[in-house]
Amino acid sequence: AQSVTQPDIHITVSEGASLELRCNYSYGATPYLFWYVQSPGQGLQLLLKYFSGDTLVQGIKGFEAEFKRSQSSFNLRKPSVHWSDAAEYFCAVGLTGGGNKLTFGTGTQLKVEL
Amino acid sequence: EAGVVQSPRYKIIEKKQPVAFWCNPISGHNTLYWYRQNLGQGPELLIRYENEEAVDDSQLPKDRFSAERLKGVDSTLKIQPAELGDSAVYLCASSLGGQRGNTIYFGEGSWLTVV
Repeated sequence: AQSVTQPDIHITVSEGASLELRCNYSYGATPYLFWYVQSPGQGLQLLLKYFSGDTLVQGIKGFEAEFKRSQSSFNLRKPSVHWSDAAEYFCAVGLTGGGNKLTFGTGTQLKVEL
Repeated sequence: EAGVVQSPRYKIIEKKQPVAFWCNPISGHNTLYWYRQNLGQGPELLIRYENEEAVDDSQLPKDRFSAERLKGVDSTLKIQPAELGDSAVYLCASSLGGQRGNTIYFGEGSWLTVV
């Protein structure tokens, strides 16, 4: 069965520091991969997605992610974190079979210290 | 353009009471999803509609949960009777078509507390 693992439940970084959030997936075919962000009391907003092609994907708000098939990873990065980036981040994989369904990881809570 | 609209945003009910959530998807999106997000977890799919047809409801607890999408636009998710374990955020989402990989847009969620 498909699954997504986000090993870090909580991460704290200082404002201006770089950020990397880890995501590993288990999937039997070419994955469709997504990163969503959820601010407190809000729904999920899509940051970026990977379908095929260039393995380095650019998203909104200065985020990027790199697909590494050999490591089954799709880590999210940002070179300089802003206080407004504090939120929960979810990695998701598109499932096989009919239809468009996502399996989400358990999320990483990002705290930004000023 | 308006996003996915959900109501109510917050609901507190006593156990065994019924509750209903409403969702209006993005205009033109024929695929609609209901997800449940428990505290500290990622969202989990409850049901997916293609137009008015429920094409995937395998994760919907059918003994107490029901959903409908009349006319293939708005949707309602109902719980009757609610249990303490149903406390969660219920997220509605939509996409333009059900093809794998189409971007899924989420609403802000309906936060349910069962006491």
